[in-house]
Amino acid sequence: SYELTQPPSVSVSPGQTARITCSGDALPKQYAYWYQQKPGQAPVLVIYKDSERPSGIPERFSGSSSGTTVTLTISGVQAEDEADYYCQSADSSGTSGIFGGGTKLTVL
Amino acid sequence: QLQLQESGPGLVKPSETLSLTCTVSGGSISSSSYYWGWIRQPPGKGLEWIGSIYYSGSTYYNPSLKSRVTISVDTSKNQFSLKLSSVTAADTAVYYCARPQRGYDFWSGYGTYYYYMDVWGKGTTVTVSS
Repeated sequence: SYELTQPPSVSVSPGQTARITCSGDALPKQYAYWYQQKPGQAPVLVIYKDSERPSGIPERFSGSSSGTTVTLTISGVQAEDEADYYCQSADSSGTSGIFGGGTKLTVL
Repeated sequence: QLQLQESGPGLVKPSETLSLTCTVSGGSISSSSYYWGWIRQPPGKGLEWIGSIYYSGSTYYNPSLKSRVTISVDTSKNQFSLKLSSVTAADTAVYYCARPQRGYDFWSGYGTYYYYMDVWGKGTTVTVSS
């Protein structure tokens, strides 16, 4: 197995762009996925397969990948985007999931 | 619309077995190509993948929990279950059931599996305490 590393926290002012990174040695070969979790709620998938956005997720959420680092970008951050964000990947056989430690996004 | 709902005791004594059930509605648990999984989150901490089961019964577990975990499917009830034995206070967490999407993408001579959770239950809190 391997690890995914995220910064513990990111802060941004409303209307600005937030970038949350996730690093892992296997990321050049494995997809990354991103989940948003608000207090007391279950996680919600916001990005899958590095950069695909599920239906119903606002266009301001986007994902990208470069080498061993993937990035979740939230453009024009809104107060409602304040939440914990988790990256996730899988093992090479696609049968087990690995989560990053999570990043708390604070909207100032 | 597929929905998942966890159920089970909210309090379990140390050394006993934690048992949870996830009821699937809005779809059949035995639909081909579907996996069903469990994830947990200790208080104030991050998400931990526990394991998953294919509709046919094949199971996959987190190596760190493998010796204590059993996931099973009951197609007659459209449910799947989690059992975690010999629990300690460290197993206190919110337990989520979810539906993993798994498949294989192949392009330009290269391929990779995808595996992510697109539907989640609301979660259930389990406390391990005497």
